[in-house]
Parts: sequence; C-alpha cells; structure tokens
Amino acid sequence: AQSVAQPEDQVNVAEGNPLTVKCTYSVSGNPYLFWYVQYPNRGLQFLLKYITGDNLVKGSYGFEAEFNKSQTSFHLKKPSALVSDSALYFCAVTSTGGGNKLTFGTGTQLKVEL
Amino acid sequence: GAGVSQSPRYKVAKRGQDVALRCDPISGHVSLFWYQQALGQGPEFLTYFQNEAQLDKSGLPSDRFFAERPEGSVSTLKIQRTQQEDSAVYLCASSTGRVYNEQFFGPGTRLTVL
Repeated sequence: AQSVAQPEDQVNVAEGNPLTVKCTYSVSGNPYLFWYVQYPNRGLQFLLKYITGDNLVKGSYGFEAEFNKSQTSFHLKKPSALVSDSALYFCAVTSTGGGNKLTFGTGTQLKVEL
Repeated sequence: GAGVSQSPRYKVAKRGQDVALRCDPISGHVSLFWYQQALGQGPEFLTYFQNEAQLDKSGLPSDRFFAERPEGSVSTLKIQRTQQEDSAVYLCASSTGRVYNEQFFGPGTRLTVL
C-alpha cells in the first residue's frame, strides 16, 4: 500500500519570502514522487518529479523539491514566493509496486500575501 | 490544443439516472487513468488502461461504475443509477506509459447528482 501525508491544510507566506509545503510518503519499493498544482476550476498541472539521482529536483515556475529517503519526505520549496503562486498543491506518489496509479495527499492551500 | 480534454465539463443528473463522461487523452499516450476528486480532497484513483486493456479497476467504488477504452484512445466512464455520493469531479489523465512518467490531467467533469 502507498500513502501520502500533507500535514498542513494551509500555508500563508508573504510575497518575496521563501515557502515550504510539506509532504511525507509511505510505499513498498522505490518511490516516484510528484508535485501538482491546481488552480480554481482547472485541472492539475505537473510541477516536478523525483525518480532517482540528485535529491534536489527543480521544476516549473521556480519551484524545487528535496527528496529525503531517511525521513520519507518530499517537501516543495521556492526561494521567493509570488502572489500568483497562491493555489492548491498536491503531493503524489507511485512506486515500482504501485501499478502506475498515483496516490495523492489531501492538498495544501498556499496563500501568498502582499 | 494538445492537452487532455474531457466532456461535458459540468453534468447535473437526477438520482437514478445514468451518465457517461468522455476523455480524449493526449495523442500517442498509451496509459489513461480516471480519478475521482471529492470536494476538499485529493484525487482518488478509479481505474487504469494501457492501450485498450483495463489493467486495474480496483478503485471503482461499486459495480455501478464502468469504464472502457475500446480502441485504445478515447475513454468513457459510465455511472449507472447515480447516487448523491457520486457527486464529485472526475479527472482523466494520460501518460506515455512508464510508471515514473508524469500524468497529464484534463480539466475534469463536475458531476452533481440531485
């Protein structure tokens, strides 16, 4: 079985400050981790993924995420937040034994304020 | 556009009616997925196709739910005798087929059962 936890329902940050959205996971086998963003009335948009290799992965719109195997975490980060980053963020996992299906967390609402 | 498309975008059904939701994946994508997203929740896996073969239907909540992809391209999710608890956004996604490849999502169909 595979699962994802996003412990924060909402994260508030001031524009220009760094942001972190937390994610922890549980899988059998090697994990493949993803971050998606969802804007109102729109589908999920892919941001970045970790497959193997370098633990720091870079993605779209200046976002990056750090894979930490010992802590089973994959936190999303951005050095300087923009108001336009305000959206709903989902962490998702699949694995070598997961059959291709993604298991999503419950989502974290990011609010970036001026 | 070259993205995943879904129709209709919105569907209102009376309890007990049958509905059919359509998904047009990205051309050439062999894998197609259906997810159900309840209000305030992350997407939950329903079923998965590789070409025309339905490889996993473990997420379908009841035998009222049926999905097909007869020619390995367009897919239809059918819900028979709709119930109020079926109200949700139904998301379709496609990918190139490898487990570690990102899935590209459509805008979803919002189903409301009265």
